[in-house]
Amino acid sequence: AQSVTQPDIHITVSEGASLELRCNYSYGATPYLFWYVQSPGQGLQLLLKYFSGDTLVQGIKGFEAEFKRSQSSFNLRKPSVHWSDAAEYFCAVGALKGRGSTLGRLYFGRGTQLTVWP
Amino acid sequence: EAGVTQSPTHLIKTRGQQATLRCSPISGHTSVYWYQQALGLGLQFLLWYDEGEERNRGNFPPRFSGRQFPNYSSELNVNALELEDSALYLCASSFYQSIQGNYGYTFGSGTRLTVV
Repeated sequence: AQSVTQPDIHITVSEGASLELRCNYSYGATPYLFWYVQSPGQGLQLLLKYFSGDTLVQGIKGFEAEFKRSQSSFNLRKPSVHWSDAAEYFCAVGALKGRGSTLGRLYFGRGTQLTVWP
Repeated sequence: EAGVTQSPTHLIKTRGQQATLRCSPISGHTSVYWYQQALGLGLQFLLWYDEGEERNRGNFPPRFSGRQFPNYSSELNVNALELEDSALYLCASSFYQSIQGNYGYTFGSGTRLTVV
């Protein structure tokens, strides 16, 4: 069965500290992986995505993620957190459907709420 | 490039009424997806439309329905509203280019539905 696990419901870090948000997935097909960020009352903004190629992916706002197939993980990192990074972060996985011409639904983790102390 | 557009931003309905939510995908995106984000329940998949056809449906009752129009915009209808339908409803659209290996999956800002 397809699933995404974000083991940390809430993480608190000090501004300037490094950050790692964990994501583990279970998916039968070749996974397309995503990280999204959501501010209160807003939609989801794409931070980065991965399907193939270099396993270290660079995204927006200074975020990066590393794909580890052996661990079925896609952890999100940032070297130095800013107060504006406080938000909820979602990891998601999907796959190609039909004749391999379109992405199907995404399976989401429950999210990790990030609090940043000044 | 305009993003995924959802309307209305907020919607207040009375229990038992019907709600209609609208979504315009990014130009060139043929797939549209609907998700429900209720407090404490995470992101739940509702419906997926591609090329005007319903491709997949989440575990929701039949009073949740929708359609996709020839211009790829989509409508989500919720009949016989219940208090627990109060949630943020998010629409997304996607594209995939097999030759280039390029793809995207973009969300709108959502419609906040409140049932009283």
